[in-house]
Amino acid sequence: DGGITQSPKYLFRKEGQNVTLSCEQNLNHDAMYWYRQDPGQGLRLIYYSQIVNDFQKGDIAEGYSVSREKKESFPLTVTSAQKNPTAFYLCATQSGGSNTGELFFGEGSRLTVL
Amino acid sequence: QKEVEQDPGPLSVPEGAIVSLNCTYSNSAFQYFMWYRQYSRKGPELLMYTYSSGNKEDGRFTAQVDKSSKYISLFIRDSQPSDSATYLCAMSEDDYKLSFGAGTTVTVRA
Repeated sequence: DGGITQSPKYLFRKEGQNVTLSCEQNLNHDAMYWYRQDPGQGLRLIYYSQIVNDFQKGDIAEGYSVSREKKESFPLTVTSAQKNPTAFYLCATQSGGSNTGELFFGEGSRLTVL
Repeated sequence: QKEVEQDPGPLSVPEGAIVSLNCTYSNSAFQYFMWYRQYSRKGPELLMYTYSSGNKEDGRFTAQVDKSSKYISLFIRDSQPSDSATYLCAMSEDDYKLSFGAGTTVTVRA
C-alpha cells in the first residue's frame, strides 16, 4: 500500500529527554515536511527537505533536528531544548512533479511531555 | 498579525445547510490556495486547490479566491454529518512552503 507511515502514534516523554519521531514514505516523493499542530494555531512548519542529504529550517525549528539520509525517511528529533514539545506532529510529502503542490500527510504522532 | 487568519469556530449547522468558511491573508505574493479537511486524530487531506483568483466547483464544494481583497472562501452545499471535520485553508507563493490557517471545526448535526 502506498502511503506515509508515522510512528509511534502516541508517545510520552519525561522532561529533559530527547525523542525521535519516525516518518517513512513509499510514494517516491522528493520533498518531505514536518509540521507541528497546536489547538487554535493551525500547522506550523518545523523543517523541510526537498532532496536527500539536504534540509532547511522552517518557522519553528528551534529545539528540533532532522536528517534525510534516504529518500524514504525523514525522522524528527525533539530535543530537550524544545521548551513546549507537547503537540501533534505531522509528516507530509510532496511530489516534485506535482502541478498543484499537494501535500500528503501521515496520520500524525501525538507527543506528551510529563 | 498572523500571515493567514481563519476563525477557529466552532461552527455547528443542521444537516442540509450551507457551510461557509473563509480566510484572510496579508501576503500579496500568495498565488496557490488550498483547502484541507482533517478528521479527528487524522492527517489533513487536500479538498480543493485553486491557482490565482476565481471560483472552482467540485460536487458540493465551491472554493473562491479574491486576490484583490486577500480573501478566500469555501462553501459546502447540502452539508452531511460526514462533513464534520476541521477545515484548514493553506496558501503559498511557490507551491512549496505552505502557510496554514488555524482551522475551523465544523459539526453537521443529523
